This record gives sequence, C-alpha cells and structure tokens, in this order.
Amino acid sequence: DTGVSQDPRHKITKRGQNVTFRCDPISEHNRLYWYRQTLGQGPEFLTYFQNEAQLEKSRLLSDRFSAERPKGSFSTLEIQRTEQGDSAMYLCASGLRLAAYNEQFFGPGTRLTVL
Amino acid sequence: AQKVTQAQTEISVVEKEDVTLDCVYETRDTTYYLFWYKQPPSGELVFLIRRNSFDEQNEISGRYSWNFQKSTSSFNFTITASQVVDSAVYFCALGPTQGGSEKLVFGKGTKLTVNP
Repeated sequence: DTGVSQDPRHKITKRGQNVTFRCDPISEHNRLYWYRQTLGQGPEFLTYFQNEAQLEKSRLLSDRFSAERPKGSFSTLEIQRTEQGDSAMYLCASGLRLAAYNEQFFGPGTRLTVL
Repeated sequence: AQKVTQAQTEISVVEKEDVTLDCVYETRDTTYYLFWYKQPPSGELVFLIRRNSFDEQNEISGRYSWNFQKSTSSFNFTITASQVVDSAVYFCALGPTQGGSEKLVFGKGTKLTVNP
C-alpha cells in the first residue's frame, strides 16, 4: 500500500525559469489536491481535480501556474517564469469522496527554492 | 469566509508534561469537519483526527485527546505525558461538507518542542 508520492523532493531554480512537479496519488483515489506552504504558514489550497477535471482553483493560482491531470491518475503542476515569491513547499494530496467527507492524504511535498 | 486560528506559535515543554494546543475556527457552514494534522521535520502531513460538527463528544486515542466545543468554536488537542517524538508542527484545519468547496483551510500551526 503506497502513499502519495511527489517528484522531485527538492528543486532549486533561477528566477525566470519554468519548473514542473509531479504527483502520483494513491491508486484508485479519484480526487487530487495541490496546496502551497510557505515558511511558518499552514498549507494553502491551490487547486483540486476530480478524475481529470479541474473543478476548483484558488485565486492564489496565478496565470503563471497550470495544473493538469490528463488521465485522471498522476498530476503535474507547472510554474512558468518563476519568481522568488514562488519559493515554498508544494504539497499534493489525494482522496476519495466518502459518505459525508473527503479524506485527504498528503505526500511528502516538493520544496522549491527560486534564486 | 472560513478561518482557523492557532494562537500559539511555539510551545516548549519537558518530556512527560501534558500540553494543550488551541484551535479556534470561524465558519458560516452549519455542518463541517475539523481536522488535526502533524507535520514532523520530514515535512509530510500526517492525519491525526477528523471530527464532524454534529459530534461534540470528546475523543481519546492513547496519549492524544481532543476537546470539541461548538459553543466556543474551539477544537483543542491535548497530548498527555509528552514524548520527544511528539516534537513537530501541528495544524488544525477546517473543511466543508459534501456539496461545498473541497479545500481544507489550515491554521498557521503550532510548533511543539518536547525536550528530554
């Protein structure tokens, strides 16, 4: 029974470069979430997929950010023209819609440093 | 708007002391869920507990206990006889029920350090 995996675990990039992160959810989980966590803060919601459909996006997700889940399995989060303010931990979670709540299981995160 | 406040930024205790982490939330939803997560230095968020807004019964799991009081919009977490392995950042989170937004709203976390 494998958990949520994310790749890479760490990424250092120069300002202006594009970066892409990958998230592999727990198998058979149809829901996938992206959160961003900056130093000293709690995770902040970015976006959510149900299967391959992106159903909810936060205002934090600027036009430089794009997320996809093309086959309803793994997901990618791309940041174009990175800025120093994008430095954060990017967390992915997956879950199943149960009777009355959505359990979210988190991966280890990708730590992005923009120089 | 939904909001979670964890007023304690950092707490330091000596091993075997009891410690309570406070969580106060705001929501206009009539039904909702509250969560506690633990984030050790490795970074992965570990689920600890989920509580339905209709269930105000306190819960105990080993050394952990949770006190949910709807009247004061609080969902406090107590660790009894703390251990060094309890050192982590603890987050309280609020999530709407089915039909609402899927997102979890987190507090800023409380960093707990348990010293030997």
